[in-house]
Amino acid sequence: KQEVTQIPAALSVPEGENLVLNCSFTDSAIYNLQWFRQDPGKGLTSLLLIQSSQREQTSGRLNASLDKSSGRSTLYIAASQPGDSATYLCAVISNTGNQFYFGTGTSLTVIP
Amino acid sequence: EAQVTQNPRYLITVTGKKLTVTCSQNMNHEYMSWYRQDPGLGLRQIYYSMNVEVTDKGDVPEGYKVSRKEKRNFPLILESPSPNQTSLYFCASSASHPTGDTQYFGPGTRLTVL
Repeated sequence: KQEVTQIPAALSVPEGENLVLNCSFTDSAIYNLQWFRQDPGKGLTSLLLIQSSQREQTSGRLNASLDKSSGRSTLYIAASQPGDSATYLCAVISNTGNQFYFGTGTSLTVIP
Repeated sequence: EAQVTQNPRYLITVTGKKLTVTCSQNMNHEYMSWYRQDPGLGLRQIYYSMNVEVTDKGDVPEGYKVSRKEKRNFPLILESPSPNQTSLYFCASSASHPTGDTQYFGPGTRLTVL
């Protein structure tokens, strides 16, 4: 069974700093990996989707990389802002089925 | 506005009293799914549906039922709720199979079973 782990569970950084969030998964047979953002009291918002054949995706200040063979993905946030404060979740869909597996998330606080 | 809506947003009920949480999307999406989110466990998939009248179990389907009679609606049914089903529930949809499409999430339903 696929297991997805995110480290650290919580992270606090000063505004303007660049940061990296980590996601690891145990089964490298995946269709894709997605990064989501979750704000308190709200649903999840998709940030980036990386297909299994891709190495990275970029959107604005966000860059996500995927190393399928080692079961790892990173989300890089450049020049962090207080508005980036949220919980970030990664999720994979295994190519053995139609199911999603989520990590437990990293709670990010950007201090002004 | 393209969105996934869930009702109710908050619900407190008692053990054994049947309840339904509705989910509706206005994007003509084929794929819909239900998740529950618990502290320390992350989001876990309950059921998903690839299209009308096509549903399948996710990771934690015990104690839940779903139906997909219309493309836009995917209700979650708890026939006899128990306290261990106290959780935050999310409905999600995507245009087609999520191997290639982003999932859009509803705002969540916080359920407490006493």
